Amino acid sequence: EPEVTQTPSHQVTQMGQEVILRCVPISNHLYFYWYRQILGQKVEFLVSFYNNEISEKSEIFDDQFSVERPDGSNFTLKIRSTKLEDSAMYFCASSPRTGVSNGYTFGSGTRLTVV
Amino acid sequence: GESVGLHLPTLSVQEGDNSIINCAYSNSASDYFIWYKQESGKGPQFIIDIRSNMDKRQGQRVTVLLNKTVKHLSLQIAATQPGDSAVYFCAENISNTGNQFYFGTGTSLTVIP
Repeated sequence: EPEVTQTPSHQVTQMGQEVILRCVPISNHLYFYWYRQILGQKVEFLVSFYNNEISEKSEIFDDQFSVERPDGSNFTLKIRSTKLEDSAMYFCASSPRTGVSNGYTFGSGTRLTVV
Repeated sequence: GESVGLHLPTLSVQEGDNSIINCAYSNSASDYFIWYKQESGKGPQFIIDIRSNMDKRQGQRVTVLLNKTVKHLSLQIAATQPGDSAVYFCAENISNTGNQFYFGTGTSLTVIP
């Protein structure tokens, strides 16, 4: 069964450093997403991406965050200057086309720890 | 605004019993809902979905009920097994505002062998 792959599974970084979280969405999917989950809390939407541009973003997705699809397979989330409160699980997801009922698959996540 | 330090509701059931997990959603414009299962250290895994033009949908061992009047969803798991132990989230989508989902706080289900 196709899956969304995320790397690394765990990243530790110092406050103020830049991090890049990587995702390989399912190959025939067209929409890509990032969500985050702070420990013990609910999953929160960050951003969606389609046709090489951001479709929607939440208030969490401020100027410190950016997304990129650098090639035909990867989808990345960059945090420019990490803060302690950025520590969370970050989940990538992808879906095949408009209409989320057509399949919306999450990766296993990257646990980001900012120290 | 959101609360911080949310305490996850918990549910413990005996193996073989039926489980019912409830979710109140927030937006009356939401028209598509998914129940997700999340095991420790993993991403949300699709269980079952329902559109707002339905009030019940059944899958294998799972049933979702939707009550739009009170903005309430439930997930029923029949003959609960130890492998069902996980956190369960409902997620809502408003189709005319995009493809993002808004998740509920989750319920931690523990199945006692």
